[in-house]
Amino acid sequence: EAQVTQNPRYLITVTGKKLTVTCSQNMNHEYMSWYRQDPGLGLRQIYYSMNVEVTDKGDVPEGYKVSRKEKRNFPLILESPSPNQTSLYFCASSLARTYEQYFGPGTRLTVT
Amino acid sequence: RKEVEQDPGPFNVPEGATVAFNCTYSNSASQSFFWYRQDCRKEPKLLMSVYSSGNEDGRFTAQLNRASQYISLLIRDSKLSDSATYLCVVNMASWGKLQFGAGTQVVVTP
Repeated sequence: EAQVTQNPRYLITVTGKKLTVTCSQNMNHEYMSWYRQDPGLGLRQIYYSMNVEVTDKGDVPEGYKVSRKEKRNFPLILESPSPNQTSLYFCASSLARTYEQYFGPGTRLTVT
Repeated sequence: RKEVEQDPGPFNVPEGATVAFNCTYSNSASQSFFWYRQDCRKEPKLLMSVYSSGNEDGRFTAQLNRASQYISLLIRDSKLSDSATYLCVVNMASWGKLQFGAGTQVVVTP
């Protein structure tokens, strides 16, 4: 089954404790992207990747890091999480020529 | 001004009626346009891509107006299951950068 998986689905953590949210897709998609969704603000792009070892900033990259060492995986790293990073996070992937994205189920992150 | 704007609604629509709403974008060089639906903070799902000539998929019709810089979505014969938030997405002519509107909520009532 074609899918995008994210782990963990729910996470409560404390300020400053490094965490990684994993994202994996099995569709051989070149393009992958991370978004955060906050009430009233819609989805905002954090980082995206056009292919292996090619990443770029979206609209809200501050406080986040990503890597793309393999085509299928695109982890999101929060080196020192802060309460303003409490949000619903989505990973998505698509063919680079279409941008018709498939989304993962989301990760609800709470930073206290 | 936001780069992609949508009327947040809600649009309250009787079952069987037609509803239409727009999404405006600021960058005239934008290349690709999409409509997604999202249910109750679940993951967005692609509804349709929007082509220059307009396109139709069953009860859903999408149009692109480049001159006025907006895309539209029309839903005919609305079903209760069409109740959702509809998100427009624009590729803002910058390689890989995608902008989402904040969404239009549609509520179909019996």
